[in-house]
Amino acid sequence: DTGVSQDPRHKITKRGQNVTFRCDPISEHNRLYWYRQTLGQGPEFLTYFQNEAQLEKSRLLSDRFSAERPKGSFSTLEIQRTEQGDSAMYLCASSSGGSGNTIYFGEGSWLTVV
Amino acid sequence: AQSVSQHNHHVILSEAASLELGCNYSYGGTVNLFWYVQYPGQHLQLLLKYFSGDPLVKGIKGFEAEFIKSKFSFNLRKPSVQWSDTAEYFCAVNVRRGGADGLTFGKGTHLIIQP
Repeated sequence: DTGVSQDPRHKITKRGQNVTFRCDPISEHNRLYWYRQTLGQGPEFLTYFQNEAQLEKSRLLSDRFSAERPKGSFSTLEIQRTEQGDSAMYLCASSSGGSGNTIYFGEGSWLTVV
Repeated sequence: AQSVSQHNHHVILSEAASLELGCNYSYGGTVNLFWYVQYPGQHLQLLLKYFSGDPLVKGIKGFEAEFIKSKFSFNLRKPSVQWSDTAEYFCAVNVRRGGADGLTFGKGTHLIIQP
């Protein structure tokens, strides 16, 4: 499978714990995006990388959230001191660049904070 | 900031009925427009996209959409739906400007096709 892959697909954690999600984009895609989706809503943009540079962060991304893409390939999204409001699907997507290029999505990582 | 509005949150149709899902965006500049579909248990998939040129775009599975700039609209249509079209449909806009070009999505339309 050469699509965007995410791991883990599901995570249940206790409030206050830290969680980390990994995303492997489509090979050769230099742009990588993180989105969050809650039930009944469309995906909401969180942050975006071009290669290893994080170029934009949404105001939704509080200081408990950090994303990295150290070598311009895979990316991680870490949530520290999780809260129940963090429960959502975290989607990763990638594209080959240019504002008109198609953005391809992974299957997402479901987070449930209990 | 741009926003996307999808008018119908839930739509129920019978097989072979015609479909039109509304989408309006708010942004005064040049945009790219997309429709994504999410089948139950699956990831978001691109149905079709508009970048420039012919405002009537055709996508996969018999879907099409028309960009009407004066109405800031990009409605999705299909002349005859099938049971397998049951899914969540999202309209999205991508603003052509310097810097990030992440998508802004609408809240989605849940489409149920009854056999």
